[in-house]
Amino acid sequence: GIQVEQSPPDLILQEGANSTLRCNFSDSVNNLQWFHQNPWGQLINLFYIPSGTKQNGRLSATTVATERYSLLYISSSQTTDSGVYFCAVGDSSYKLIFGSGTRLLVRP
Amino acid sequence: DARVTQTPRHKVTEMGQEVTMRCQPILGHNTVFWYRQTMMQGLELLAYFRNRAPLDDSGMPKDRFSAEMPDATLATLKIQPSEPRDSAVYFCASGLVPDGRSYNEQFFGPGTRLTVL
Repeated sequence: GIQVEQSPPDLILQEGANSTLRCNFSDSVNNLQWFHQNPWGQLINLFYIPSGTKQNGRLSATTVATERYSLLYISSSQTTDSGVYFCAVGDSSYKLIFGSGTRLLVRP
Repeated sequence: DARVTQTPRHKVTEMGQEVTMRCQPILGHNTVFWYRQTMMQGLELLAYFRNRAPLDDSGMPKDRFSAEMPDATLATLKIQPSEPRDSAVYFCASGLVPDGRSYNEQFFGPGTRLTVL
């Protein structure tokens, strides 16, 4: 099955800093989502991005499917950005395979 | 504001008791997923429904877990009897998948945090 690797596993930022989270996957995908799991445990959809680039406020994501990676950019980080960021990928089936996440702490 | 809802949000029970978790998918969505999240295993798919039909439950322990969709607005996950190793957060997700395709964006509910003593 598809392997998903996220880096870095942990990240500590000062409020206002920018960051880039990476998701590598081992095979071609038709489905890729980025989620933020907040400190209350809720999984929030950030991007549905099997290819291309999208932006939503301070967040943006790019997936280069041919090179098997996706990047999530967080600019001007805020304390509310803290939590775990998951990348999940799928081939042509319904299954999403989740990475182990990047744990982000933004300090005031 | 369309969202997946789950009840209960928290459940503490004793080993051997039956546990039922409920999920209301987003209206109009035709796929429903049950996931389990633990520290050790991360997020795992337990079951998958499309148009209310169960298409995959290979991720569930068959002897104690069961998943059903009595109607399009309700999905249930039951554990009987529950065991301490079932302690986890159980998420329901739904999505709208077009005909001729198997995948699309999934939207997650807030989860049910289950503790089995």
